[in-house]
Amino acid sequence: QQQVKQSPQSLIVQKGGISIINCAYENTAFDYFPWYQQFPGKGPALLIAIRPDVSEKKEGRFTISFNKSAKQFSLHIMDSQPGDSATYFCAARPPIYQLIWGAGTKLIIKP
Amino acid sequence: DAGITQSPRYKITETGRQVTLMCHQTWSHSYMFWYRQDLGHGLRLIYYSAAADITDKGEVPDGYVVSRSKTENFPLTLESATRSQTSVYFCASGTGWPDTQYFGPGTRLTVL
Repeated sequence: QQQVKQSPQSLIVQKGGISIINCAYENTAFDYFPWYQQFPGKGPALLIAIRPDVSEKKEGRFTISFNKSAKQFSLHIMDSQPGDSATYFCAARPPIYQLIWGAGTKLIIKP
Repeated sequence: DAGITQSPRYKITETGRQVTLMCHQTWSHSYMFWYRQDLGHGLRLIYYSAAADITDKGEVPDGYVVSRSKTENFPLTLESATRSQTSVYFCASGTGWPDTQYFGPGTRLTVL
């Protein structure tokens, strides 16, 4: 019940295309859903986050879509660029514990 | 410079040796975390600390020891290193809520 399942494990998208990464959870008590971006040789950095009281949050080319009834949330990267090539992690937070992390998605944007 | 630093960045050691990984943050964040990152497992929480002298186990604490005598430092010790502890270790800090965690650059540890 504490797991966050992330898919796909890897993704190749053409430049200008839409990258979509999905995460699913089971614990309905999760109350915070961030996405982190990690470049090779660096630590992860917060990209965008959402709370379950909204269905979508957009920041520039990055959008989180949240489906509370399906217990799923996804990251959409519009107009994907080679500089977006990185590993992306979703996470979820139970109310009295620390973040539960997905396994990560390695995204490659082909020029 | 403000931020979160880890040392060493790379470490090679032998099975059975004690190893300490250092983490230092200059933001005075109350929370600090240690993760290990392995292919296929993403980030797994080893230990975390809500404040100085308060630490708690994460998902994979066995074989590791932490201490936090000062807010800014959170060292991680492998008391007797094993090959299965070969990994990249990340330290992070945060204010607790909202849950933004700020990660250090990582330490790549190899246990031979």
